[in-house]
Amino acid sequence: KNQVEQSPQSLIILEGKNCTLQCNYTVSPFSNLRWYKQDTGRGPVSLTIMTFSENTKSNGRYTATLDADTKQSSLHITASQLSDSASYICVVYGNNRLAFGKGNQVVVIP
Amino acid sequence: ETGVTQTPRHLVMGMTNKKSLKCEQHLGHNAMYWYKQSAKKPLELMFVYSLEERVENNSVPSRFSPECPNSSHLFLHLHTLQPEDSALYLCASSQEQGNNSPLHFGNGTRLTVT
Repeated sequence: KNQVEQSPQSLIILEGKNCTLQCNYTVSPFSNLRWYKQDTGRGPVSLTIMTFSENTKSNGRYTATLDADTKQSSLHITASQLSDSASYICVVYGNNRLAFGKGNQVVVIP
Repeated sequence: ETGVTQTPRHLVMGMTNKKSLKCEQHLGHNAMYWYKQSAKKPLELMFVYSLEERVENNSVPSRFSPECPNSSHLFLHLHTLQPEDSALYLCASSQEQGNNSPLHFGNGTRLTVT
């Protein structure tokens, strides 16, 4: 079983709407959690990195939250734009290893 | 521009061919990585180099052979591949290996084995 599970697997949203992506993990001990954005045909690009003591971190219209007690993170996209269409990958670092989720595929339509 | 450049972007090869993937990083990082990304699967770590020495090899078949001649360049030599090896191969670098520094990825080489 994968140590990082993301949901939903894919979603379609209207331009201008908000959406929230979920990441649950079982990695232990935990060091940090990262969200990456991967555009089609490109490599992943880091959006946020959060350590145990951080509950929320923003990067423009992207806001990540972390609950280290329940081992859950979310990535909230505000006022979505067409350029937000991408795969969003949750990555958890712990025990000297990076564990990757399969990604949330987001499609923003006009 | 990500600071990590991969060539070629696309590669089609037969099972008996020999080819090489190239990665170059311009970030002054000390660690470099090869990842395999298949559809609907998490990224799989293949190899890790730190200061030009291989520090990790995740049970990758010998038909994949990495080479790191210096801290800025990384190669993946391919020979007698199988169709199931078709995937996106991503190179990444980080300031150090095994700490909290984020990975910087290249745009990958889309490999198709026929």
